[in-house]
Amino acid sequence: DVKVTQSSRYLVKRTGEKVFLECVQDMDHENMFWYRQDPGLGLRLIYFSYDVKMKEKGDIPEGYSVSREKKERFSLILESASTNQTSMYLCASSLGSLEGYNEQFFGPGTRLTVL
Amino acid sequence: SQQGEEDPQALSIQEGENATMNCSYKTSINNLQWYRQNSGRGLVHLILIRSNEREKHSGRLRVTLDTSKKSSSLLITASRAADTASYFCATELYGGYNKLIFGAGTRLAVHP
Repeated sequence: DVKVTQSSRYLVKRTGEKVFLECVQDMDHENMFWYRQDPGLGLRLIYFSYDVKMKEKGDIPEGYSVSREKKERFSLILESASTNQTSMYLCASSLGSLEGYNEQFFGPGTRLTVL
Repeated sequence: SQQGEEDPQALSIQEGENATMNCSYKTSINNLQWYRQNSGRGLVHLILIRSNEREKHSGRLRVTLDTSKKSSSLLITASRAADTASYFCATELYGGYNKLIFGAGTRLAVHP
C-alpha cells in the first residue's frame, strides 16, 4: 500500500515565523502535491512537483515555496507565516504517467494554526 | 480556480437509504475522480471515471458521467453510518501531470 506521511498532525506557530511542512511517500511516485483545505472552499492546489528539483505553481502559491531534493520528499515552506495561512495542509502523490488516469494518495494532513 | 461544484453541500439520510451527490464542471476533462474524507483526515480515492466512460460501479458505489452536460453523480446504495464523511469530486484536465481540481465537497451524514 502507498503510504504518504506528513511530519506533524498539528502545528502552532507565531506570525512571522518560517514554517516547514514535510511530506514523504514510499512508492516511488513521480508527482507530489501540496493543497490547503478551508471550509467551504474545498482543496486548493498550492504547488506541485513532477520530478526531483522540478516545481510548478498551483492556484494559490503566494506566500509559499517548495523544495524537492529527493524523489520521496516534498517540503512546503511558509517564508513568513501569517494568520491567513491558518489552515489544513494536505500532501498527495501520484504515480505519474503521460496517459493520466492516476489517482492521488493523500497524507493525513497537518492542521496549522498561526497566532 | 474551482472547476467542480458539488450539490448538495450537505445531505442527511437514514441508514439503508441511498445517497446521491452531484458534481458539475466547466471545461473538458481527461477523467473525473471521487474522493472521500473522514472528519479531519486525508482524502481517500473512491473511483475514477474516464471521459469516454458513462457509468462505473465499485461495490455500493455507482458513478455516472455526462460529458455533454459536464456533470457527474455519485450514488451510494444502502448507506451505512460508516459512510458518514465528506465527498469530493475532482477533475483532471488533459496534459496536466495528474493535476486535479477539486470541488467544495458534499457532507454526508448517515444516521443509524
